[in-house]
Amino acid sequence: EPEVTQTPSHQVTQMGQEVILRCVPISNHLYFYWYRQILGQKVEFLVSFYNNEISEKSEIFDDQFSVERPDGSNFTLKIRSTKLEDSAMYFCASQSDGTEAFFGQGTRLTVV
Amino acid sequence: DAKTTQPTSMDCAEGRAANLPCNHSTISGNEYVYWYRQIHSQGPQYIIHGLKNNETNEMASLIITEDRKSSTLILPHATLRDTAVYYCLPYAGNNRKLIWGLGTSLAVNP
Repeated sequence: EPEVTQTPSHQVTQMGQEVILRCVPISNHLYFYWYRQILGQKVEFLVSFYNNEISEKSEIFDDQFSVERPDGSNFTLKIRSTKLEDSAMYFCASQSDGTEAFFGQGTRLTVV
Repeated sequence: DAKTTQPTSMDCAEGRAANLPCNHSTISGNEYVYWYRQIHSQGPQYIIHGLKNNETNEMASLIITEDRKSSTLILPHATLRDTAVYYCLPYAGNNRKLIWGLGTSLAVNP
């Protein structure tokens, strides 16, 4: 069964450093998302991406965040200068037109 | 966006049916009821969705009331691997974001 793949599974970084979280969506999907979940809290929407541009973003997705689909297969989330409060599980999801979204297993980001 | 109300937690004996309720009284006419689950902080896993008719697939059954203000997810023979947080989400299926609540933490006990 096709699946969304995320790497790395766990990333530890120092405060102020840049991190790039990587996702390989399901190959024929057109819509891509990033969500995050701080430990013990709800899953929160960050950004959606379609046709090589951001279609929607939340208040969390500020200037420190960016997304890119550099080569037609990968979908990346970059955090330019990490803060302690960025520590969370980050989930990538992809979706075909009008169907359910499929999620990756997540990247646990720990900022120290 | 429609809000949902789910019990915080439920218990179920292994092999028995787990019935998970959800109230979504403000659901819009074009919104489906989607159910996902999350096993121990893994990525959310799609289970089932429906508009107004009852639905069944290999994982679960979904019963939606006629007024569409509530629904019940049924796991017919719960196993220990069904221990997870279950989320009910109204969603128009229009490729926009999913809005998550806190869900129901289901514990399946031996």
